[in-house]
Amino acid sequence: NAGVTQTPKFRILKIGQSMTLQCTQDMNHNYMYWYRQDPGMGLKLIYYSVGAGITDKGEVPNGYNVSRSTTEDFPLRLELAAPSQTSVYFCASRQGVGYEQYFGPGTRLTVT
Amino acid sequence: AQSVTQLGSHVSVSEGALVLLRCNYSSSVPPYLFWYVQYPNQGLQLLLKYTSAATLVKGINGFEAEFKKSETSFHLTKPSAHMSDAAEYFCAVSDRGATNKLIFGTGTLLAVQP
Repeated sequence: NAGVTQTPKFRILKIGQSMTLQCTQDMNHNYMYWYRQDPGMGLKLIYYSVGAGITDKGEVPNGYNVSRSTTEDFPLRLELAAPSQTSVYFCASRQGVGYEQYFGPGTRLTVT
Repeated sequence: AQSVTQLGSHVSVSEGALVLLRCNYSSSVPPYLFWYVQYPNQGLQLLLKYTSAATLVKGINGFEAEFKKSETSFHLTKPSAHMSDAAEYFCAVSDRGATNKLIFGTGTLLAVQP
């Protein structure tokens, strides 16, 4: 199993541009999550999904959108990128209640 | 609401010394608790987890943590630090509900001196 994969690894965006961060897991996990990590702040939950077709907001959803059309994929969309969205983004998945989350390697995004 | 506090954003120990990373949580119900490790430019890797079985939990790489309900703590320890333990460590709490969202602490960066 590849686990959780994320693309791209790095990206530089100009202010106002849009992009989609891809996340795929091959463990058949129902639960998937998007976090952003900023220095000294830990990880903050952006959006999560408890199954295909079901998504909900986390702590910091503004400026982002998600969709979950399949169990495997959970893309994160940035519309009108802003410098405040410069961060490292992690996708994670979980088998179920009480199980640990498995993390992807992250996408480092810079908005200038 | 649940929260996690990690005391000490930076901890430095000598190789071979005891590692103690502190984590206190706030939760109205017994939570699930996790410790994750992050090496530079990598994702997070699970060290250990507490899900209401034994209160002393053993994890990978010689780490362990003890759940103390009376102190609302879940401190991470390792008897003897190795240079390879240098990394950032995150404590996280989640509820037992259907969504099981994780709330992370702000992390502790562990430096190991030779």
